[in-house]
Amino acid sequence: GEQVEQLPSILRVQEGSSASINCTYENSASNYFPWYKQEPGENPKLIIDIRSNMERKQTQGLIVLLDKKAKRFSLHITDTQPGDSAMYFCAASEANSAGNKLTFGIGTRVLVRP
Amino acid sequence: DPKIIQKPKYLVAVTGSEKILICEQYLGHNAMYWYRQSAKKPLEFMFSYSYQKLMDNQTASSRFQPQSSKKNHLDLQITALKPDDSATYFCASSQDTSQNTLYFGAGTRLSVL
Repeated sequence: GEQVEQLPSILRVQEGSSASINCTYENSASNYFPWYKQEPGENPKLIIDIRSNMERKQTQGLIVLLDKKAKRFSLHITDTQPGDSAMYFCAASEANSAGNKLTFGIGTRVLVRP
Repeated sequence: DPKIIQKPKYLVAVTGSEKILICEQYLGHNAMYWYRQSAKKPLEFMFSYSYQKLMDNQTASSRFQPQSSKKNHLDLQITALKPDDSATYFCASSQDTSQNTLYFGAGTRLSVL
């Protein structure tokens, strides 16, 4: 199986600064790592993902890094805005998972102060 | 306009009863899933279906039974409900099970009294 640890659980940042969330995984067979954003009372929405053939991916103020040797991946939100306040979940999926099972981290609550 | 419809949005049930959570997706996807989100726990994978066939089951209890009457439907029947079953249940879908993006429905928040 897979286990994903996510830190920190709460992240308070000043508007305009950057926010970083770190996740580690255990199963070296995992090769797909999505990040989801969930606002209160809403469904989780994919914001960015990275596959194991990449080390870095960037889109619209989001950067994800993947270190396969360390089994670690991270999300960096640059120039945070109040709209970035939400729960963020990392996840990992195993290459040999027949059912596309995603194992999620426990989530990080990001609070952006104006 | 939601493409994954879950009904009902809120559900209150008494211990020992049985409920069915409805999920329909209009994304043309071939794979559907159920996840559970409880307080202070990560989103937890329950089931995956591909072309109406069970692909993976990580739910220990047989009280949870998915039902797929059509390719774009995956309902979840829960019998003998317990207070510990209280959670938000999310249905999701993807094009297929080869690690494509998962799209989640709005969830059904179940409270068992």
